[in-house]
Amino acid sequence: GQSLEQPSEVTAVEGAIVQINCTYQTSGFYGLSWYQQHDGGAPTFLSYNALDGLEETGRFSSFLSRSDSYGYLLLQELQMKDSASYFCAVRDGGSSGSARQLTFGSGTQLTVLP
Amino acid sequence: SAVISQKPSRDICQRGTSLTIQCQVDSQVTMMFWYRQQPGQSLTLIATANQGSEATYESGFVIDKFPISRPNLTFSTLTVSNMSPEDSSIYLCSVVYQTDSYEQYFGPGTRLTVT
Repeated sequence: GQSLEQPSEVTAVEGAIVQINCTYQTSGFYGLSWYQQHDGGAPTFLSYNALDGLEETGRFSSFLSRSDSYGYLLLQELQMKDSASYFCAVRDGGSSGSARQLTFGSGTQLTVLP
Repeated sequence: SAVISQKPSRDICQRGTSLTIQCQVDSQVTMMFWYRQQPGQSLTLIATANQGSEATYESGFVIDKFPISRPNLTFSTLTVSNMSPEDSSIYLCSVVYQTDSYEQYFGPGTRLTVT
C-alpha cells in the first residue's frame, strides 16, 4: 500500500526559513506534489517534482530524491499568511492506475509567530 | 485559475437520509475526482468520476453508498446514501484540466453533518 509521513506540526517566526519533510512508500511513483490549505479553505497547488532536484517558485521551493523516497518543501521569508496546513501528495496511480490520482499525506500544520 | 463551485456548501442531515452534492466547473476538464476530508485531517480519495461510464472507486468506497454521476465534462454529482454520523465530513470535488497537467484544482467543499 501507499504511505506518506510528514511532521504534524511546525512552528516558526516571521522572516525565518522552515523545511517540511515528506517520506513516502508507494508503488508506481510518478511525482510528488505539495498543497497548501488554510483553515476552512480548499487545498491549493504549490509545486510538483517528477525528477530529482530542487524546484523554486518565489519564496517556496520543493525538493525530491526518488532514490531516498523523500522530498521537502522549503518556505523562506515566512509571513503570517503562510500559517496553514501543508500536504505532500504522491501521484501513484491509485486503484485505477491513473497517473493523475493523488494520495495525500496527513498534513503539517505550520504556525508562523510574529 | 480554475473556477469550481459546489452545492450545497454545508448541510445538516438526519441519519438514514441521502444527500446529493453537485460540482460545476467553469470549463471542460479531463478528470474529476471526489475526496473526503475530516476537519484537521488528510484528504482521502473516494472515486474518479468518469464521463459516460461508471466511476472508479477506491478501496473502502462502494457505489451503493457513494453513487457518482458525470453526465458531461463540466459537471458531476456525488450522493452520500443512507447516511450515518460517521459520514460527517467535508466532501471536495477536484479536477485536472488537461491530460498532461499535474496540477489539481479543488472546489470549496461541502461540509456535511449527520445527526
